[in-house]
Amino acid sequence: DAGVIQSPRHEVTEMGQEVTLRCKPISGHDYLFWYRQTMMRGLELLIYFNNNVPIDDSGMPEDRFSAKMPNASFSTLKIQPSEPRDSAVYFCASSSSGTTRETQYFGPGTRLLVL
Amino acid sequence: QKEVEQNSGPLSVPEGAIASLNCTYSDRGSQSFFWYRQYSGKSPELIMFIYSNGDKEDGRFTAQLNKASQYVSLLIRDSQPSDSATYLCAGITGGGNKLTFGTGTQLKVEL
Repeated sequence: DAGVIQSPRHEVTEMGQEVTLRCKPISGHDYLFWYRQTMMRGLELLIYFNNNVPIDDSGMPEDRFSAKMPNASFSTLKIQPSEPRDSAVYFCASSSSGTTRETQYFGPGTRLLVL
Repeated sequence: QKEVEQNSGPLSVPEGAIASLNCTYSDRGSQSFFWYRQYSGKSPELIMFIYSNGDKEDGRFTAQLNKASQYVSLLIRDSQPSDSATYLCAGITGGGNKLTFGTGTQLKVEL
C-alpha cells in the first residue's frame, strides 16, 4: 500500500491568500484525521471524519479553516484567508475501525509557511 | 491540566543503555494508548499500542500501562543512536477514535 498521501509537501504563500491542502487516505480506511503541529503547541487534532462525515471539528481554530471529504479517497483542508500564525506542519492520518483498531497512520505532512 | 502529559526532555542515555519514557493521562475512561516515534522533519510513525494493564513487549521495546495510576511508559532496551528522536504518547480520550497527543519527549542516544 502507498500509505497516506498528502500534497503539496511544501507551501509558501502570502498572508491573505487561500491555501488548500490535500490528502488521500489508505485504501479501505474509514477514518481520516487532520492535525496541525507546531513547536509551541505540539500535535493538535483539527477535525476527523468517519465514512466521509465530519465527526468532531472542535479543534478547528476558527472560521477561516474548513475541511471536506467528498469521497472515501480524498479530503481537503482549506485556509482562507491565511495568516502568518497558520504556519505549521499539517498532517493527515487515517485509520480503520476494523482489525487495526484505532491505529492511525500518518502522511508525510505539508509544511506551510505564510509570509 | 493537559489530557496527556510528557516530560519534554531531552532525555540523554548512552548507547546500549535502557531508555525510559513516561506519560500520564487525566481521562480515567481512556482505554487505548499509543507510542509514536518522530524523527526531525518527518511524520509520526507508530511503534507500539497497548490496551491492557501490564507490559507488552515487541523486540527492544516494552510498553507498560498502569490504569490505576494513569501512567504509560515505553522502555527501549539496548538504545541505539538511531533511536534518537521525539517520542509521542497518545491516548484515545473522550470515546471514539480521537487521539490526544502529549507534547513528546526528545530522546538522545549518545555514543
